[in-house]
Amino acid sequence: DTGVSQNPRHKITKRGQNVTFRCDPISEHNRLYWYRQTLGQGPEFLTYFQNEAQLEKSRLLSDRFSAERPKGSFSTLEIQRTEQGDSAMYLCASSSPGLADTDTQYFGPGTRLTVL
Amino acid sequence: RKEVEQDPGPFNVPEGATVAFNCTYSNSASQSFFWYRQDCRKEPKLLMSVYSSGNEDGRFTAQLNRASQYISLLIRDSKLSDSATYLCVVTTLRGSYIPTFGRGTSLIVHP
Repeated sequence: DTGVSQNPRHKITKRGQNVTFRCDPISEHNRLYWYRQTLGQGPEFLTYFQNEAQLEKSRLLSDRFSAERPKGSFSTLEIQRTEQGDSAMYLCASSSPGLADTDTQYFGPGTRLTVL
Repeated sequence: RKEVEQDPGPFNVPEGATVAFNCTYSNSASQSFFWYRQDCRKEPKLLMSVYSSGNEDGRFTAQLNRASQYISLLIRDSKLSDSATYLCVVTTLRGSYIPTFGRGTSLIVHP
């Protein structure tokens, strides 16, 4: 399968713990996005990488959140001192826009986080 | 006002019906527009891009109205398998292109 993969698929943690999620994009894609989605809402943009450079961060991304893409391939999203409000589906998407920059994104299956 | 707004529905239609969804956006500088489909507990998948001239893919037609700042999706001859949430996505240039999703419109097609 050459699509976007995310691990783990599910994570249950206690409030105050740190968690880290991984995303492996489609191999030739240079853009990578992280989103958060809660029930009944669309995905909310968190951050975006072009190769290894983190170009945008949403104001939703508090200091407890950090993302990296060290070699321009896979990415990790870490949440420190988790809170119950962090419970959500965390989606990763990748894209490789052409000259038209239509930027079609391909999503991974997501990591569902539950904070107890 | 939210940047991208959609009627959450649900839209309940019989098989074979024609149904239309609208999505409004607030930033006139928005550049790119898409419709994604999301099945329950699955990831979003691209349905179609939306171009100024309008575009059609089988039973699906998407249109963009820049003057009124909305995009639309028309589904003809609805199938049971069309039941899903349809997400409108608008990409706006703020340094980089940032995609903003609407909350989605739920469609239920019944026999």
